[in-house]
Amino acid sequence: DTGVSQDPRHKITKRGQNVTFRCDPISEHNRLYWYRQTLGQGPEFLTYFQNEAQLEKSRLLSDRFSAERPKGSFSTLEIQRTEQGDSAMYLCASSLGAFNQPQHFGDGTRLSIL
Amino acid sequence: AQRVTQPEKLLSVFKGAPVELKCNYSYSGSPELFWYVQYSRQRLQLLLRHISRESIKGFTADLNKGETSFHLKKPFAQEEDSAMYYCALSGREGAQKLVFGQGTRLTINP
Repeated sequence: DTGVSQDPRHKITKRGQNVTFRCDPISEHNRLYWYRQTLGQGPEFLTYFQNEAQLEKSRLLSDRFSAERPKGSFSTLEIQRTEQGDSAMYLCASSLGAFNQPQHFGDGTRLSIL
Repeated sequence: AQRVTQPEKLLSVFKGAPVELKCNYSYSGSPELFWYVQYSRQRLQLLLRHISRESIKGFTADLNKGETSFHLKKPFAQEEDSAMYYCALSGREGAQKLVFGQGTRLTINP
């Protein structure tokens, strides 16, 4: 197992375009998290899935953001009508569902908005 | 409100010197505390968590509920300890999402 995999590693796009990122968690992990990290800050929680159900969303997740995990395996995070402020590193993490199992992070997708 | 504060953005010590990275938290309940580390060109990875009460790579951290702190310590720094360190907390129920501090960049000078 190579751990949590994210694709693409880098995405450069123009303001106003839509982008989609993919996360493949560790295979037996039923919990999946998305975080966003801007320069000089720690990661901030965006949303959480338990299997295919999206159980919590941060207020940071505006209505331009949508995340899915259709079969409880991989997840996608889509940003519509991107803005300059969306430039960040988007991190995915997964964990087992038992009490306080550690979260394992992917390498992230770095988004740059021109 | 849940909050993690790491007062030092940068910390530089000499090899062999003791290291202490500070972390204070605010949480209305009993949180779980973690230290994550990110070495150059690597992904974020768990270093240790208070519930395990273990020493990893010579690092230890003790949860002080009275001072709401979870400082990371190592008696003798090594050059390979140079990295970005993040303190984080999570609740014990629900999503158990992580709340991170802003991180401390530790540099060990030879």
